[in-house]
Parts: sequence; C-alpha cells; structure tokens
Amino acid sequence: GAVVSQHPSRVICKSGTSVKIECRSLDFQATTMFWYRQFPKQSLMLMATSNEGSKATYEQGVEKDKFLINHASLTLSTLTVTSAHPEDSSFYICSAATRAGGGNNEQFFGPGTRLTVL
Amino acid sequence: RKEVEQDPGPFNVPEGATVAFNCTYSNSASQSFFWYRQDCRKEPKLLMSVYSSGNEDGRFTAQLNRASQYISLLIRDSKLSDSATYLCVVNGGAGKSTFGDGTTLTVKP
Repeated sequence: GAVVSQHPSRVICKSGTSVKIECRSLDFQATTMFWYRQFPKQSLMLMATSNEGSKATYEQGVEKDKFLINHASLTLSTLTVTSAHPEDSSFYICSAATRAGGGNNEQFFGPGTRLTVL
Repeated sequence: RKEVEQDPGPFNVPEGATVAFNCTYSNSASQSFFWYRQDCRKEPKLLMSVYSSGNEDGRFTAQLNRASQYISLLIRDSKLSDSATYLCVVNGGAGKSTFGDGTTLTVKP
C-alpha cells in the first residue's frame, strides 16, 4: 500500500515555542492530506483538510492561526503548532487519501507525532 | 448525537471466540465505510473496506446496512494478536472521514 511518513515521531518542547510537523507521501502524489489529533483514550479528531496549493479547511473549533498548515507540493504537508502550550500535548497524525475504483477513499496514515509541551 | 457511534466496549474474549462490533452513522449521504485497527500508541491501519454486499477477509467479515445506517465487523476464531482498538470510519465525500470512538478488544489466552 501507499506509504506516508511523518517527522518528527516525538517532540518535547517548552511552552511558548513553535513546533513543525512534516507529513510526506513517499510513493504517490496526494492532492489532499488530512491532519488529526488524538488525545489519550479518545478517537481521532479531524483538525483540517489540506489541499495542495490552496488554503487549508479547518474544522470548527480549530484555530487556524495557531495550527498553521502548508501544503506546498503534492508530496508534503506541514503542520506548525505555534506558541504551543501544555494543552496542545497530543498525538498528531496526518493522512493522505487515495481514490480507488468505485469512489471509495482509503486513507493512508502517517505513523504520528507525539507532542509533549512542558 | 455523534456522527459515528460504536459499541463502547471493552470486549474481553477468550482465544477462539467470535466477537461482533456494531457501528451506526447519522449521515445518510455517507459514501464509503471502513474498519481500521489501531494498536496502542500507533497510527490506525486499514483493516477492510465495507460494501453493501458484505465482504469477508479470512476471519473477518464486514457488513453494511444502508437502510438502517449501521456497519458491523465480525471476527471469528479470535487470536491474541487481534487485541487492539477497532475504529469505524465513515466517509462523507471529498475524502473527509469521521471516526468512531473505537471499540477495544482484548483476547485472552
């Protein structure tokens, strides 16, 4: 199947700093990538949909000025958590969707980035 | 009401047992459906897509009932390695997916 990588896998930072997370599709071109956040014992919550070359679409309640998304190429999307605070500590996962025959949209997930803000 | 609701679990079953999970969705216009598996502290991985005609992959059988808006996953002959959280995923179009909260399965020796 398609491979999606994420970097870094784990980051610990001080409160107030900004953290950039990269998501790459390694063997396919992804016009659309998704960013999710998962808190312990909860499900994945979609934060935003990232389309190559255009502005991201954010879900309700997600601050676009705090979570900056850039999708500069068909294989790379980045999420920057600006001025991170302890409540931003979470597991951030990206995915890229492919369109199979019949319209089914399977998503391939990156391995995730565990962010801890001290 | 949540867009996608799953059996809360947890399900604790012995090896060899058959276990079934259900999931309901609220958006009747939803287009595609999946079951994902997520191991602790790992990313979700696709287990199987779900079709109206039902589909089977080894010990796993998935069913979709559009009229009642529910999806099911049946696992036969449970293995220890089946222990994980199973996520019901509903795609409403344009690739945007909504995840259920997941059902945790623990298979015991």
